[in-house]
Amino acid sequence: GQSLEQPSEVTAVEGAIVQINCTYQTSGFYGLSWYQQHDGGAPTFLSYNALDGLEETGRFSSFLSRSDSYGYLLLQELQMKDSASYFCAVRDSNYQLIWGAGTKLIIKP
Amino acid sequence: GAVVSQHPSWVICKSGTSVKIECRSLDFQATTMFWYRQFPKQSLMLMATSNEGSKATYEQGVEKDKFLINHASLTLSTLTVTSAHPEDSSFYICSARTNRGETQYFGPGTRLLVL
Repeated sequence: GQSLEQPSEVTAVEGAIVQINCTYQTSGFYGLSWYQQHDGGAPTFLSYNALDGLEETGRFSSFLSRSDSYGYLLLQELQMKDSASYFCAVRDSNYQLIWGAGTKLIIKP
Repeated sequence: GAVVSQHPSWVICKSGTSVKIECRSLDFQATTMFWYRQFPKQSLMLMATSNEGSKATYEQGVEKDKFLINHASLTLSTLTVTSAHPEDSSFYICSARTNRGETQYFGPGTRLLVL
């Protein structure tokens, strides 16, 4: 079956760097996306990787290795407002989104 | 882990017809289901929230008469796009949550193309 694995919870300190990993097993691959969701809100799009390598957008970066079926989201200079759930999602060959279960990021002062 | 399915995964229809999309929680009871709409590489836009056995709560700007939502059981919610037009073409995603208020589990999405 198709699946994405990511840690259920990560704890970090304000100002630090945190990496959220995502490994996937899907039929076909058209890119890995990351979404941020605050409690009660809709998921907001953060990044999309279709090719191997690192994509940087401000404090957030996303990495993809297709040969390893692996990607990660890197958050730098953590702020309290970054406390949220982060979902990775892969679009498969049928254009369907396969979602990870989400990683709850807890940031401590 | 919890699984949410959607059916159909793809639908192409003529303008003016109605399309029904099903969202099912396969191994848990979903007291709350959410319907989202997404354009390519954009964030998910919440359309409505539905609780089992009650009327859906629609977000501002979403026409309740056009997007009919039914949440008749704890494992099934349906979204019907009535009198679909080309501008309704989009990717529709549902998610489900248990009554314990845990994380949402997302469906794989339904791609709608209205000709």
